[in-house]
Amino acid sequence: NAGVMQNPRHLVRRRGQEARLRCSPMKGHSHVYWYRQLPEEGLKFMVYLQKENIIDESGMPKERFSAEFPKEGPSILRIQQVVRGDSAAYFCASSPGLARDEQFFGPGTRLTVL
Amino acid sequence: AQSVTQLDSQVPVFEEAPVELRCNYSSSVSVYLFWYVQYPNQGLQLLLKYLSGSTLVKGINGFEAEFNKSQTSFHLRKPSVHISDTAEYFCAVREYGNKLVFGAGTILRVKS
Repeated sequence: NAGVMQNPRHLVRRRGQEARLRCSPMKGHSHVYWYRQLPEEGLKFMVYLQKENIIDESGMPKERFSAEFPKEGPSILRIQQVVRGDSAAYFCASSPGLARDEQFFGPGTRLTVL
Repeated sequence: AQSVTQLDSQVPVFEEAPVELRCNYSSSVSVYLFWYVQYPNQGLQLLLKYLSGSTLVKGINGFEAEFNKSQTSFHLRKPSVHISDTAEYFCAVREYGNKLVFGAGTILRVKS
C-alpha cells in the first residue's frame, strides 16, 4: 500500500509564475489536508478537503492560493503569482476520515521562489 | 484558539542518555495529542498519539509520552537515545474538526 505521494518534490519558480503542487492520498483515504512549513517554523494548517468539497480553508491566504480535490485524480494546491515569501515546504496528509484517525504525511514539495 | 508550545528549540544529548522533549498545549476541551518525527528532507512520521484512556502512551522506536491534563502537558521521553534519533520532533493537538495544530518543533541532536 503506497503512502501519500507528492510531486514534484522540488519546484523552482520565478516571482509572478504559478506553482501547482499535487498530492495523491493513500488508497482508501478520502480526506486530504495541506500544511505549510516555513523556514525555522512548525507546520501550519492551510486547508482540509474531501472529494469535491472544501471542508475547512481557514488557514489559506485570502489571495493567490486555491485548492481542489476532484472526484478523480490528485488534490492540487495552486499558488498564483508566487512571491518570495511563498518559499516553503508544503506537506499533504491524508486520512480515512474520522477525527480519531491518524493523518499520514507525504514527503512534501519544497517550493523555492527566485 | 488552541496553541502548542514546545519549550526547547534544540536539545543536545549524548548517546544512551535519557531525553525529555517538552510540550504544553492550550485547550479548554478534550483534545487528541500527537508526536511526530521529521528526518531531514522527509515528511512527518507519527511516533505516538493520545486519544483517551491511559495517560502513559507508548510509541515506536522506544518513545513514550505522558498526558497530564492538570498541567496541559504531553512531554515525550526516551530512556536511552541513539544517534539515529537525531531529527526534529513536533507536538500537535487536534480539537474540533480534523486539522492539526503544531508546535514549532524541537531539534534533538544526539552526540556520540
